[in-house]
Amino acid sequence: EVQLVVSGGGFLQPGGSLRLSCAASGFTFSSYFMSWLRQTPEKGLEWLANIKQDGSAQTYADAVKGRCTISRHNAADFVFLQINNLRAEDSAVYYCVRASGSPSGVYFDSWGQGTLVTVSS
Amino acid sequence: EIVMTQSPVTLSVSPGQSAIVSCRASQSIGRELAWYQQRPGQAPRLLIYAASTRATGIPARFSGGGSGTEFTLAISSLQSGDFGVYYCQQYYYWYSFGQGTKLEIK
Repeated sequence: EVQLVVSGGGFLQPGGSLRLSCAASGFTFSSYFMSWLRQTPEKGLEWLANIKQDGSAQTYADAVKGRCTISRHNAADFVFLQINNLRAEDSAVYYCVRASGSPSGVYFDSWGQGTLVTVSS
Repeated sequence: EIVMTQSPVTLSVSPGQSAIVSCRASQSIGRELAWYQQRPGQAPRLLIYAASTRATGIPARFSGGGSGTEFTLAISSLQSGDFGVYYCQQYYYWYSFGQGTKLEIK
């Protein structure tokens, strides 16, 4: 069974940094793209970032580009997300997601449980 | 940006009946479309990809169709676990989701 367990999140201050970790199990981690998405009542579901199987390429949504880094540690089956210079609009439920498809476009085939991030002073 | 528009916003259906959710893309996306179900308090779950291919473990009661800019998700013989919010998502050019269709019990 695919499991994606996220840690990190909680209450953070504007201008601070968010670092989320996602522990993957139940599949061959190094064979899959991995992604981070987030969800708010106002904006709905929003894709943030993808990372290629070997970590050699990353892509980012415009909303977080320049503030965000996705990385992975294949030896330990972890994927990470860091967002710097947090803003109130970064408040959301963040999901770690396994992705399938092709390098030109992926769909999101397994989702972790989500972690709530609140950015407020 | 490709905008995905779903209709209706809310769909009230009785158990045992069928439901159809529509999704329109602001430009052609071929068949690079996925559907997800989200039950209250849970993460989304992949139902359909490539417009009509069911994901692993998804029953045949769920079927997807369409291409280009118009897509549908049909659910037959609705069961209690089918009620929730359904989202379409395009992966033709970057990634964007519809606003969701809430399927509720009538």
